[in-house]
Amino acid sequence: DVKVTQSSRYLVKRTGEKVFLECVQDMDHENMFWYRQDPGLGLRLIYFSYDVKMKEKGDIPEGYSVSREKKERFSLILESASTNQTSMYLCASGGVYSYEQYFGPGTRLTVT
Amino acid sequence: AQSVTQLDSQVPVFEEAPVELRCNYSSSVSVYLFWYVQYPNQGLQLLLKYLSGSTLVKGINGFEAEFNKSQTSFHLRKPSVHISDTAEYFCAVSLLLGGSNYKLTFGKGTLLTVNP
Repeated sequence: DVKVTQSSRYLVKRTGEKVFLECVQDMDHENMFWYRQDPGLGLRLIYFSYDVKMKEKGDIPEGYSVSREKKERFSLILESASTNQTSMYLCASGGVYSYEQYFGPGTRLTVT
Repeated sequence: AQSVTQLDSQVPVFEEAPVELRCNYSSSVSVYLFWYVQYPNQGLQLLLKYLSGSTLVKGINGFEAEFNKSQTSFHLRKPSVHISDTAEYFCAVSLLLGGSNYKLTFGKGTLLTVNP
C-alpha cells in the first residue's frame, strides 16, 4: 500500500512564526503536491513538484514556499504565519502516468 | 482552464436508499476523472477513476460512476447506501500538462449524510 505521512496531525502556531510542514511518501513517486482544504472551498493547490529540487506554483502560492531536497520528502513552509493560514493542509503523491494521487492524513494548522 | 462543479453541497439520504452525487466539468482538452472520499478526520481516498474505455466505472464500496462526454458529467451513484458511507465526496479532473506532468482540480465537495 502507498503510504503518505505528514509530520503532525495538529499544530498550533503564533502569528509571525515560521512553520514547516513535512510530508514523506514511500512509493518512489516522482510527483508531490500540497493542498489546503477549507470548508466550502474544497481543495486548492498550493505548490507541486515533479522532481527533486523542482517546484511549480499552484493556484494559491502566496505566503508559502516549498522544498524538495529528496525524492520522498516535500516540505511546505510558511515564512511568517498569519491567521488566514489556519486550515487543513493535505499532502499527496503520484506516479508518472498514473494521473491519480495518494493523500496523507492531513495537518490541521491553527495560527493564533 | 478547467473547472469542476459539484452541484450539491449536501445530500441527506436514508439508509438503504439510492444516491447520486452530481459532478460536471469543463475542459478544452481530454481529461481523466476521479472521485475521492474523505471520512471524518482523515485524508482523501480514491473511490474510482475514469481514464479511458468503458464509460461506466466501478469503484470500491459498491460505488460506480458514468462518464458522459456530451454532457461533460461524471456522476457518482450507489444503489443502496449504508450509515458508514457518511463522508465528504470530491470529484476531480486531471489535466495533463505535457509529458508525464499533470495536476488535479477538485470540486468543492458534497457532504453525504446517511440517516437511519
